[in-house]
Amino acid sequence: KQEVTQIPAALSVPEGENLVLNCSFTDSAIYNLQWFRQDPGKGLTSLLLIQSSQREQTSGRLNASLDKSSGRSTLYIAASQPGDSATYLCAVRGNTPLVFGKGTRLSVIA
Amino acid sequence: DADVTQTPRNRITKTGKRIMLECSQTKGHDRMYWYRQDPGLGLRLIYYSFDVKDINKGEISDGYSVSRQAQAKFSLSLESAIPNQTALYFCATSRTGGSDTQYFGPGTRLTVL
Repeated sequence: KQEVTQIPAALSVPEGENLVLNCSFTDSAIYNLQWFRQDPGKGLTSLLLIQSSQREQTSGRLNASLDKSSGRSTLYIAASQPGDSATYLCAVRGNTPLVFGKGTRLSVIA
Repeated sequence: DADVTQTPRNRITKTGKRIMLECSQTKGHDRMYWYRQDPGLGLRLIYYSFDVKDINKGEISDGYSVSRQAQAKFSLSLESAIPNQTALYFCATSRTGGSDTQYFGPGTRLTVL
């Protein structure tokens, strides 16, 4: 059974810092990995999707990497802003639809 | 208008009542999903459907049933609600042959007393 772990569970940083969120998964037989953002009381917004054949994807200040063989992904956020404060969720797709991690709650302090 | 809508947005009910949560989408996607989110447990898949005639159980389907009335509509029912079904419920959609990105609705907050 696929298990997805996200570390740390919570993170607080000053505005302007670069930061890394970590995601690990137990079964490397995946089709893709997705990073989502969730604002309090809201739905999820897809940020980046990395296919299993890819090593990274970039969107603006966000960069996600994937090392399938070691079961790891990182989400790099450059020059963090208060508006980046949210919970970030990692999810992997294997033979079944998405399996989610519990998320990292990020606070960016102005 | 939102691409994925859920009704109701909030619902308080009593133990033993039958509850239906509805999801509609205008994205033209064929795949639809129901998840629940609990504090400390993350999102877990309840049921999913890859087209109108396809229904599959997810990780936590016990106590729930679904109906795919049309490509754009996917309903989740709690036949006899119990307090541990209190959670935030999300519907999501994706497209076969697309990037596999899932698009989520705003969620329904359900409280079972």
